[in-house]
Amino acid sequence: DSGVTQTPKHLITATGQRVTLRCSPRSGDLSVYWYQQSLDQGLQFLIQYYNGEERAKGNILERFSAQQFPDLHSELNLSSLELGDSALYFCASSVDARVNEQFFGPGTRLTVL
Amino acid sequence: AQKVTQAQTEISVVEKEDVTLDCVYETRDTTYYLFWYKQPPSGELVFLIRRNSFDEQNEISGRYSWNFQKSTSSFNFTITASQVVDSAVYFCALSEVGSNFGNEKLTFGTGTRLTIIP
Repeated sequence: DSGVTQTPKHLITATGQRVTLRCSPRSGDLSVYWYQQSLDQGLQFLIQYYNGEERAKGNILERFSAQQFPDLHSELNLSSLELGDSALYFCASSVDARVNEQFFGPGTRLTVL
Repeated sequence: AQKVTQAQTEISVVEKEDVTLDCVYETRDTTYYLFWYKQPPSGELVFLIRRNSFDEQNEISGRYSWNFQKSTSSFNFTITASQVVDSAVYFCALSEVGSNFGNEKLTFGTGTRLTIIP
């Protein structure tokens, strides 16, 4: 158990819908990262937050957004969902803004029908 | 831009055999970190090792060992006396530090699916 929690574990929804994925970092970790793992794109970095502020952006679509709240949990919002958004979404956390050692959550498996 | 290549898509070996997973990386930075992660069938990502670019010492942890060679930009992972529980997808990853201090991300390879046959 990495100490990073993600909810829900599974999510099934329809095209055009909007969903929110939630992540709670390990106790004491200030940085949260979101990654997407899909069959065609592999594991890709989406976005990073550090202590409430966006720090780095990767291949994140404009339909996706994220935020980190004062209690340091983070949410990833996916809207206007398409079939291709079906993937495993991982959250990771680290103590500071450096990626020295990220600990990954169990992931949320999103299925868009 | 940073890139990680894991040329071996799938490997199958018989239990107790040794197996080496290859990882080749590209980076323009002189300061970077290399990682290996394991993803078992259950789906979670398990951190195995981190190595910074200034530390070329090989590392051994039980049946696992890692060979880091800057001259060939490789960070290979060897499992000795493989066991069925080693069956998983293994990912190599790279993070540049350099000018991106405090603004780092992991770039993953495409992974190697390792199957240990009983």
